[in-house]
Amino acid sequence: GENVEQHPSTLSVQEGDSAVIKCTYSDSASNYFPWYKQELGKRPQLIIDIRSNVGEKKDQRIAVTLNKTAKHFSLHITETQPEDSAVYFCAETGANNLFFGTGTRLTVIP
Amino acid sequence: GAGVSQSPSNKVTEKGKDVELRCDPISGHTALYWYRQSLGQGLEFLIYFQGNSAPDKSGLPSDRFSAERTGGSVSTLTIQRTQQEDSAVYLCASSFGTPYGYTFGSGTRLTVV
Repeated sequence: GENVEQHPSTLSVQEGDSAVIKCTYSDSASNYFPWYKQELGKRPQLIIDIRSNVGEKKDQRIAVTLNKTAKHFSLHITETQPEDSAVYFCAETGANNLFFGTGTRLTVIP
Repeated sequence: GAGVSQSPSNKVTEKGKDVELRCDPISGHTALYWYRQSLGQGLEFLIYFQGNSAPDKSGLPSDRFSAERTGGSVSTLTIQRTQQEDSAVYLCASSFGTPYGYTFGSGTRLTVV
């Protein structure tokens, strides 16, 4: 699909708090949902992904949840640290290429 | 190579000139993608190559944009008669033939003056 909405566009949290970023999509055929982190002036890098046969996936302080019925998925970062400050992009696909959300600028305040 | 390589890293060009941007994907990656990222914006899909198949050009914004991939490896994105709205970072990514685990290059920052 080509319609991915991402919220919020900016997010500020205190160090140690949790951050949640949400995305919704419209294509019911979508089956792969990655999240990318882009630090200032650098390339986007894959941090976690989930496929449609799984409802939740966790990797240390990062987790992603997927609700296929509601067509939304979320990124959860716990115990945030200053180095988590970056722009985060969600993406989805049911075909050959990824369609990205508009990004969330996360700022972790020390 | 060890990663996706893009050149040049920065390009300043005059309005109306043509530019060529180059992408050298990771060795063995059969799929190659071009995206455009305008300042503070998301990643806009431009074009996708997979092996010897016809490319998916559905994201190209106008006929001034074209891309080639020679020998299943290096790709060149060409923008003819550049306009100021073409100013952006052009990102290339490659993968093992599926959208799983794209690896991005560092991008080419294009400025049209």
